[in-house]
Amino acid sequence: AQSVSQHNHHVILSEAASLELGCNYSYGGTVNLFWYVQYPGQHLQLLLKYFSGDPLVKGIKGFEAEFIKSKFSFNLRKPSVQWSDTAEYFCAVRFLGSGKSTFGDGTTLTVKP
Amino acid sequence: SQTIHQWPATLVQPVGSPLSLECTVEGTSNPNLYWYRQAAGRGLQLLFYSVGIGQISSEVPQNLSASRPQDRQFILSSKKLLLSDSGFYLCAWATGASQPQHFGDGTRLSIL
Repeated sequence: AQSVSQHNHHVILSEAASLELGCNYSYGGTVNLFWYVQYPGQHLQLLLKYFSGDPLVKGIKGFEAEFIKSKFSFNLRKPSVQWSDTAEYFCAVRFLGSGKSTFGDGTTLTVKP
Repeated sequence: SQTIHQWPATLVQPVGSPLSLECTVEGTSNPNLYWYRQAAGRGLQLLFYSVGIGQISSEVPQNLSASRPQDRQFILSSKKLLLSDSGFYLCAWATGASQPQHFGDGTRLSIL
């Protein structure tokens, strides 16, 4: 079955630390990849997406993600986190031919001021 | 611009009672529509999705059903709620299966 795995359930960082959240998926074919973010008290929103082309994708608020096809991964990165980045982050994968996306279990990021 | 409305925001229901959660989208035509349940530490569980009026795909067999009576209306229902139906329900829409999804504010459902 198609699946999406986010390795870290809860990450705690201090401000200015670098961030990398892992996301791996099970399928080896064509995929569309997404990272969504849910800030406290707010609805889920898109952070960035990858469809094709340059495997390094830049999103809002200084986030980026790199698609590594050989590793079936789409890790999210930010060089220097801020307190306002405290949120829950979800990786999602849409597998070719599917009418839906499969979400990972999410990673809660807490940034200490 | 497109907007998504989901109501009610919170709902408290007794076990065995019926359920109807409504989701409507404005500003777009023929969207893909989705119902999810979000549980703490367990991510988003897709319950149903629809690519058109009257077309419903069920992902998880359970006590719930979905209907799409109009192009931009998606309803989540149950005839008899169970305690295990408690949770946070999210509606979302997208212009296509490969496109990013836009989420509503969610409904917190508590079953007593």
